[in-house]
Amino acid sequence: DQQVKQNSPSLSVQEGRISILNCDYTNSMFDYFLWYKKYPAEGPTFLISISSIKDKNEDGRFTVFLNKSAKHLSLHIVPSQPGDSAVYFCAASVGGSEKLVFGKGTKLTVNP
Amino acid sequence: DAGITQSPRHKVTETGTPVTLRCHQTENHRYMYWYRQDPGHGLRLIHYSYGVKDTDKGEVSDGYSVSRSKTEDFLLTLESATSSQTSVYFCAISQSPSGSFNEQYFGPGTRLTVT
Repeated sequence: DQQVKQNSPSLSVQEGRISILNCDYTNSMFDYFLWYKKYPAEGPTFLISISSIKDKNEDGRFTVFLNKSAKHLSLHIVPSQPGDSAVYFCAASVGGSEKLVFGKGTKLTVNP
Repeated sequence: DAGITQSPRHKVTETGTPVTLRCHQTENHRYMYWYRQDPGHGLRLIHYSYGVKDTDKGEVSDGYSVSRSKTEDFLLTLESATSSQTSVYFCAISQSPSGSFNEQYFGPGTRLTVT
């Protein structure tokens, strides 16, 4: 049973516009959430995270929103740039756990 | 970038042969992980280690074994490779997840093809 779901395998946006990547989870015990970005032929790199005690976290062009009641989080990229084209993975963990549970990823393409 | 290297970076092997992948870190992080990435499946945990000689199974551990005799090295062995183990394998490390986000830092990956 998939505990972390990224239902959109791909997303295409124009340069300068907003990219919104979505993630849903089923385990109500998850209280830490992370986003990773992955370029082809490279390992995933950590992008941004959020704790369940917050509903928003910003880092430059990247903002993650958490809606605990809906068990939903989203990553906003504003403005989108061609260099943002990558696969984005959502991940979750229970606080203190050594393991992360990953979604299947969303491939973002930002067109010039 | 975290000091994580994986070797080999690419390998082609035949069905039934044993294969060992190596992950080496220079960060002295306690936790080390092996994942595989496959189309349509994202990243799935194979095995992980929480200290020297301390390992545990992940989601897809069948057909794999691991060993960690030193803090810096974590080995993944495919005891008898099968075509279903054709994948990209990633090693990751983290310092300590307790009370933190358990940010894991990933190596560059090993592309394994089993023919």
